[in-house]
Amino acid sequence: SQQGEEDPQALSIQEGENATMNCSYKTSINNLQWYRQNSGRGLVHLILIRSNEREKHSGRLRVTLDTSKKSSSLLITASRAADTASYFCATDPNTGNQFYFGTGTSLTVIP
Amino acid sequence: EPEVTQTPSHQVTQMGQEVILRCVPISNHLYFYWYRQILGQKVEFLVSFYNNEISEKSEIFDDQFSVERPDGSNFTLKIRSTKLEDSAMYFCASSAAGRDQDTQYFGPGTRLTVL
Repeated sequence: SQQGEEDPQALSIQEGENATMNCSYKTSINNLQWYRQNSGRGLVHLILIRSNEREKHSGRLRVTLDTSKKSSSLLITASRAADTASYFCATDPNTGNQFYFGTGTSLTVIP
Repeated sequence: EPEVTQTPSHQVTQMGQEVILRCVPISNHLYFYWYRQILGQKVEFLVSFYNNEISEKSEIFDDQFSVERPDGSNFTLKIRSTKLEDSAMYFCASSAAGRDQDTQYFGPGTRLTVL
């Protein structure tokens, strides 16, 4: 299966700390994307990193991609209570245009 | 900022009934998708649609499911005879053509409850 797997499954941190979530996948990809989902809500696109990129930044988000290890990480710096949500990686394999979502990391930021 | 919209936000139906979930993708997008998320589980791909036909579908998307773009703005998912296990959040997504196709923008979802 191509599906990504995130770890940890759950993460609880204090406001102001950094949060790091990891994603691993199995086959070669065109790109990898991170999404956020607040409880019972839709998916919000955070950042896309292509297979030929190694690192990307967007505001307080930093994403890395290691295609040799088939893994990615999402770093949220200076976390806020509003960052509390589930975070999913989604991979776009070389064939087709569907996404494969991971199981998600549930992040809780304690004020 | 343009966004994908979905209606209704919550649909309750009896087992065996037909339901139609509606989506309005972002207006200049050409690729459309449906995903579902059973409570507590991962988001699963159902189907992708381009140029008025299905371009890809998963094993979940069996004969009970169909999609349609009845006009220039709506994209619908029909479940002909709902089962209890169809209860889930259904997300519509759309993406543009070309390299920007990669980013899929998701709607807020329709929560389907089958009783």
